Amino acid sequence: GNSVTQMEGPVTLSEEAFLTINCTYTATGYPSLFWYVQYPGEGLQLLLKATKADDKGSNKGFEATYRKETTSFHLEKGSVQVSDSAVYFCALLTGFQKLVFGTGTRLLVSP
Amino acid sequence: ETGVTQSPTHLIKTRGQQVTLRCSSQSGHNTVSWYQQALGQGPQFIFQYYREEENGRGNFPPRFSGLQFPNYSSELNVNALELDDSALYLCASSLVSGQSYNEQFFGPGTRLTVL
Repeated sequence: GNSVTQMEGPVTLSEEAFLTINCTYTATGYPSLFWYVQYPGEGLQLLLKATKADDKGSNKGFEATYRKETTSFHLEKGSVQVSDSAVYFCALLTGFQKLVFGTGTRLLVSP
Repeated sequence: ETGVTQSPTHLIKTRGQQVTLRCSSQSGHNTVSWYQQALGQGPQFIFQYYREEENGRGNFPPRFSGLQFPNYSSELNVNALELDDSALYLCASSLVSGQSYNEQFFGPGTRLTVL
């Protein structure tokens, strides 16, 4: 079936460090891929997306590239800030508007 | 433009009771999806409503049911509550036209605790 696997957290970094959060997926066909972010006490916000192979999604300094050959969509940011502390979810779109999420990766950034 | 709102924010129920959660979709959206997010887990798809009809369901028992109203707001009903139903329930709305994907906008969620 369709599934998403994310690296376990928490990921603890100092401000201005480089961030990578790994995400791999299993799906039939060619899903669209997403990264969502959840700040404490809030719902999910779409961070970035990619709809086909080799697409790069980017937003607020975050980037992820849709790699069909490795079925991956790793999230990266060159220089994290304290305000980036949150839980990050990788997700794929299967069927009609039905998102399948990973378990989430908590990011903690210290000053 | 008003975003997705959910009520109540928090709710405490006991096993065997019934609960109704509410969601107001973003203006202009015609589709509502419901997700259950257990503590420390990713959201799990419960079901989706498109133009007042159920349009797909995840692996949840029939005691999870829903409605969508003509103004596209929605309710999630859960009967015979179990301890494992304790979770954050998220509603997401989107505008669906044809087969194209449009971003799902999530509400802040309702935290349900079953004792």
